[in-house]
Amino acid sequence: DQQVKQNSPSLSVQEGRISILNCDYTNSMFDYFLWYKKYPAEGPTFLISISSIKDKNEDGRFTVFLNKSAKHLSLHIVPSQPGDSAVYFCAASVRGGATNKLIFGTGTLLAVQP
Amino acid sequence: GAGVSQSPSNKVTEKGKDVELRCDPISGHTALYWYRQSLGQGLEFLIYFQGNSAPDKSGLPSDRFSAERTGGSVSTLTIQRTQQEDSAVYLCASSLARDSPQHFGDGTRLSIL
Repeated sequence: DQQVKQNSPSLSVQEGRISILNCDYTNSMFDYFLWYKKYPAEGPTFLISISSIKDKNEDGRFTVFLNKSAKHLSLHIVPSQPGDSAVYFCAASVRGGATNKLIFGTGTLLAVQP
Repeated sequence: GAGVSQSPSNKVTEKGKDVELRCDPISGHTALYWYRQSLGQGLEFLIYFQGNSAPDKSGLPSDRFSAERTGGSVSTLTIQRTQQEDSAVYLCASSLARDSPQHFGDGTRLSIL
């Protein structure tokens, strides 16, 4: 049973436009959510996180929105740049739990076209 | 500053052999995690260390897998009697504290022939 789902395997966006990546989760115990970016042959790079007590967190071009009632979060990148082309992983954890292990989605490949 | 360092970056070995994978976390990070990513799969949790102890080993897939951490720093993941299904990228992550963002190394790509 996949607790964190990224239903879009890929997304193509024009440079300068907004990229919206979506993530759904099923476990209501999750209280901490993160987005990672991954280039081929490299490890995931932490982008931005959000606690369940918030519904929005912004860092430069990246904004994460959390809708707890819908168990849905999204990552907005604006404006999108060709260097943003990568696989984006959504991850969730129970921060107050014993380990804070991350449960990952399967990723969305973002292609930003020049 | 230095990030999480993993070695080797690639490892090819024959089925049945033992392998050791090493992780050097970011200095001062008390929490250390191992994950793996099999072909076409997402990242899956293997084991968590806080200091030198491992309070959560729930993700280790079989008793052929073990890990240790010494001096609150370097960790080694050992796979005994490797099988072809062990082929994956093994990723290590560390965080300043248990509830801080995790920072990943570039992984070890393990191929079992």
